[in-house]
Amino acid sequence: GQNIDQPTEMTATEGAIVQINCTYQTSGFNGLFWYQQHAGEAPTFLSYNVLDGLEEKGRFSSFLSRSKGYSYLLLKELQMKDSASYLCAVRTGRRALTFGSGTRLQVQP
Amino acid sequence: DTAVSQTPKYLVTQMGNDKSIKCEQNLGHDTMYWYKQDSKKFLKIMFSYNNKELIINETVPNRFSPKSPDKAHLNLHINSLELGDSAVYFCASSQELAGDNEQFFGPGTRLTVL
Repeated sequence: GQNIDQPTEMTATEGAIVQINCTYQTSGFNGLFWYQQHAGEAPTFLSYNVLDGLEEKGRFSSFLSRSKGYSYLLLKELQMKDSASYLCAVRTGRRALTFGSGTRLQVQP
Repeated sequence: DTAVSQTPKYLVTQMGNDKSIKCEQNLGHDTMYWYKQDSKKFLKIMFSYNNKELIINETVPNRFSPKSPDKAHLNLHINSLELGDSAVYFCASSQELAGDNEQFFGPGTRLTVL
């Protein structure tokens, strides 16, 4: 079966750095994705990792360790607009994405 | 221009009714999906079509029937609606052969069954 775990909620301060962890146990692995979802809106793509290591994209970075079944999303210089849910998702083979339950991030002034 | 569009955005209906949700993408993608997001925010795959061919059919009641008239459209028909069908339904599309297979989501359809 597929199992993806992330913390349910996190709180951080504007301007700070926050790391959102994701662990997964899946049958097959063909990439890990992070999506951002603001309340009442559609998920939007943030990052994709298929090889071990860090992928950096502006204020957002994502890390993957396939041997550990572990990823994290790092958000730097937090802004109020970063308050949203962050969804970790794994693709196995040609299948669609299997999503975790999401981490709701609250950025405080 | 909206990349992935869904209609309607909101749907309120009585138990036992039959309803349809439409999805269209203008990205030229060859793969489309339906996801269900429940009240706990779990986003779960329901169906996936590649070039009008059904490739994923998760454990979904057969009251749900997807239809893909062409590769730009994937509609979802639901028969005999039940209270537990209340959720937000998202359509998405991607290019199957693209490396990162980024999925683009529609705005969602909030279905409320009374």
